[in-house]
Amino acid sequence: KNQVEQSPQSLIILEGKNCTLQCNYTVSPFSNLRWYKQDTGRGPVSLTIMTFSENTKSNGRYTATLDADTKQSSLHITASQLSDSASYICVVSAMADDYKLSFGAGTTVTVRA
Amino acid sequence: GAVVSQHPSRVICKSGTSVKIECRSLDFQATTMFWYRQFPKQSLMLMATSNEGSKATYEQGVEKDKFLINHASLTLSTLTVTSAHPEDSSFYICSAREGHTEAFFGQGTRLTVV
Repeated sequence: KNQVEQSPQSLIILEGKNCTLQCNYTVSPFSNLRWYKQDTGRGPVSLTIMTFSENTKSNGRYTATLDADTKQSSLHITASQLSDSASYICVVSAMADDYKLSFGAGTTVTVRA
Repeated sequence: GAVVSQHPSRVICKSGTSVKIECRSLDFQATTMFWYRQFPKQSLMLMATSNEGSKATYEQGVEKDKFLINHASLTLSTLTVTSAHPEDSSFYICSAREGHTEAFFGQGTRLTVV
């Protein structure tokens, strides 16, 4: 069964600090991995997308890494801002089953002044 | 990125009535649309997948007669929650993609059944 597990479930950080979110998956055959940001009451917005051959990808203060061998990914937020408070969801796409998406439960990040 | 518009963003309805939610792709042809449901503090759960012009494929446990999905055009899909009950209150999100490209999500619809 394809699964995506994220940790921690939630975290609180002070404005200006960095944090790293983790994602482990068992999806196979792997197609790509995406990180989304979901503000409360809104739909998910894509931050990064990585295929098998990509190890890291950045989008502003967000940097995602991928280790396809260990099936792990991380999302690093640098110099956090209050607007970074949101749920961050790891989504993995399989190359089979019509590229079906497997969703992690998300990590809720709260940035405090 | 591509834009997917979902409407309404919030709706309150009485128990027993039906509610329609629209999902539109504004700048691409959505050959496939997905409908998700999200309960508080939980991740998105896929309800059904619809390909333009075909009947939707529902996930196990999702009642097709209760959640009617229509994908009659390449830019519009609708989800109708029929005979809504309080337990149907949830956050409903659509996503759309063209071919096997990246899927883009709508803004979501908060449904409250009273």
